[in-house]
Amino acid sequence: AQKITQTQPGMFVQEKEAVTLDCTYDTSDPSYGLFWYKQPSSGEMIFLIYQGSYDQQNATEGRYSLNFQKARKSANLVISASQLGDSAMYFCAMREGGNNDMRFGAGTRLTVKP
Amino acid sequence: GAGVSQTPSNKVTEKGKYVELRCDPISGHTALYWYRQSLGQGPEFLIYFQGTGAADDSGLPNDRFFAVRPEGSVSTLKIQRTERGDSAVYLCASSLGGGGTDTQYFGPGTRLTVL
Repeated sequence: AQKITQTQPGMFVQEKEAVTLDCTYDTSDPSYGLFWYKQPSSGEMIFLIYQGSYDQQNATEGRYSLNFQKARKSANLVISASQLGDSAMYFCAMREGGNNDMRFGAGTRLTVKP
Repeated sequence: GAGVSQTPSNKVTEKGKYVELRCDPISGHTALYWYRQSLGQGPEFLIYFQGTGAADDSGLPNDRFFAVRPEGSVSTLKIQRTERGDSAVYLCASSLGGGGTDTQYFGPGTRLTVL
């Protein structure tokens, strides 16, 4: 069964605008972590932001914030003030408390237009 | 400090050959992971090391795949009798302790092409 779902294969955003990348997840484990990674064309997976299932507040890291809605099992990534360098694939991932593996979604390709 | 490094960056081999892919984790990270990423998909877990031991190899697709980490730092992923379906990017990641909320840091990957 698919644990992480990213429903947007591709997204476009105008430079300097904000964009939301969707991610929903499925787990019965009360303890889990949610991660977002950026993968530019060079191929390296770059860690962006983390949200723990017990965290009371939404995570923020600079221009990245995570809109965590636990009851809806969604963990959308918000990128504010988009830059041309933000153009890349973005992956949502989850790691359940007792597991060693991290499950990734299929990714969303973000293109920032000048 | 230095990130996770992987060599080679690209490997082209013929069907049936043996290949080794190397991963050098971030210094001090005890946990090391291998993932495989096929075109257009997210990475899929292969194996997890805690120190020198393979703590979880449930993601290895079959017995042609094997990985070692003899001294608890560098790891080698070994693929025997390669098949065209093994073509993918093989990603290595490391984390400080390996706990469920531990952030994994990835290397640039090795692109394997089996002809």
